[in-house]
Amino acid sequence: GESVGLHLPTLSVQEGDNSIINCAYSNSASDYFIWYKQESGKGPQFIIDIRSNMDKRQGQRVTVLLNKTVKHLSLQIAATQPGDSAVYFCAETSLRDMRFGAGTRLTVKP
Amino acid sequence: DGGITQSPKYLFRKEGQNVTLSCEQNLNHDAMYWYRQDPGQGLRLIYYSQIVNDFQKGDIAEGYSVSREKKESFPLTVTSAQKNPTAFYLCASSFSPRTNTEAFFGQGTRLTVV
Repeated sequence: GESVGLHLPTLSVQEGDNSIINCAYSNSASDYFIWYKQESGKGPQFIIDIRSNMDKRQGQRVTVLLNKTVKHLSLQIAATQPGDSAVYFCAETSLRDMRFGAGTRLTVKP
Repeated sequence: DGGITQSPKYLFRKEGQNVTLSCEQNLNHDAMYWYRQDPGQGLRLIYYSQIVNDFQKGDIAEGYSVSREKKESFPLTVTSAQKNPTAFYLCASSFSPRTNTEAFFGQGTRLTVV
């Protein structure tokens, strides 16, 4: 989940469409995963989490999928709105620390 | 209101000077973290602490130092040894990682070397 020297990938969607943001994590010992949303100049805010004993969790308009076999997370946003435009990060937590994936910039076109 | 507070929001430093960024939380969290974010990039872990009087280096600890003398406070010092300190710094806190609960972030400090 380290992003040294990388620029953020971007995803552009039409308002009302569904968005899928992907994340690869690095530590097979990680047992708790979180998606955060970061707006410009602000700290990340919690969206949804999932524990390693689950493969899917749903919230309001958001769903997180976890595939431990390939160490992959995805965040699905239904009926994407202009207010969803932000940078989205996944975080993996082990017993030691919390580390972030590279992030994806989501832009919603009206 | 409970929360995590970083100060100042903007900080300017002359080359060769040390500067300390403040991070305070009143959430009774055990763990605290410092991250660095460069423009258009992700968050990189500088230091973290799971308990008072203990802290561990993250991926980019060189040129930084921390202390954890109180549960509520985890200040970060950017030393003159940090070659490129201009960045957005984020502090976070959480209950112990063993509890599988989310971390809360401060609003960040933007450090600029002039």
